[in-house]
Amino acid sequence: KNEVEQSPQNLTAQEGEFITINCSYSVGISALHWLQQHPGGGIVSLFMLSSGKKKHGRLIATINIQEKHSSLHITASHPRDSAVYICAVRGGSQGNLIFGKGTKLSVKP
Amino acid sequence: GAGVSQSPRYKVAKRGQDVALRCDPISGHVSLFWYQQALGQGPEFLTYFQNEAQLDKSGLPSDRFFAERPEGSVSTLKIQRTQQEDSAVYLCASSLGQLQPQHFGDGTRLSIL
Repeated sequence: KNEVEQSPQNLTAQEGEFITINCSYSVGISALHWLQQHPGGGIVSLFMLSSGKKKHGRLIATINIQEKHSSLHITASHPRDSAVYICAVRGGSQGNLIFGKGTKLSVKP
Repeated sequence: GAGVSQSPRYKVAKRGQDVALRCDPISGHVSLFWYQQALGQGPEFLTYFQNEAQLDKSGLPSDRFFAERPEGSVSTLKIQRTQQEDSAVYLCASSLGQLQPQHFGDGTRLSIL
């Protein structure tokens, strides 16, 4: 069993829809990251959180430490949001990240 | 530049050749991480440097993989006697400290023929 599980694996949405991507983890962590990866490989860090909720523009990330679960929400989705969204947890003693397999999001106009 | 820079962006090599992948971290970033991302998978940890010291190399898949950061800035990941299973995107990330947000490069896509 992977230490970080994401769902769904693939997600197709219509422009304007509210989107939720889920992440569950099985290890103790000091922080959880949500990352965005576009075709070509570049990764952008969206959020780093260790408790509660963070919001940036149309993106909202929440984490429940007791339940070992986090969600990434996108409001009013747009085709430019199409990318792979990766959940990663920092559990290693050296700060290295343990990644989920990613959720491929496609937003249709 | 302002971000993490990796070179080359693409590398094609024949099985058995040695390759070297370069990472230029953000200036002043103490921590540097290497990750390997196979097609359709999430990245996996390879190794970690704090300045010039390689503090964790537990993720290196075999002794054919070697990483260095001799002056605590630029890092090189070397793969000797490449195999087809080494084909992947190799990502470098740097951060101010080991518990700070990591900034990723665009990766090097390695294809072994």
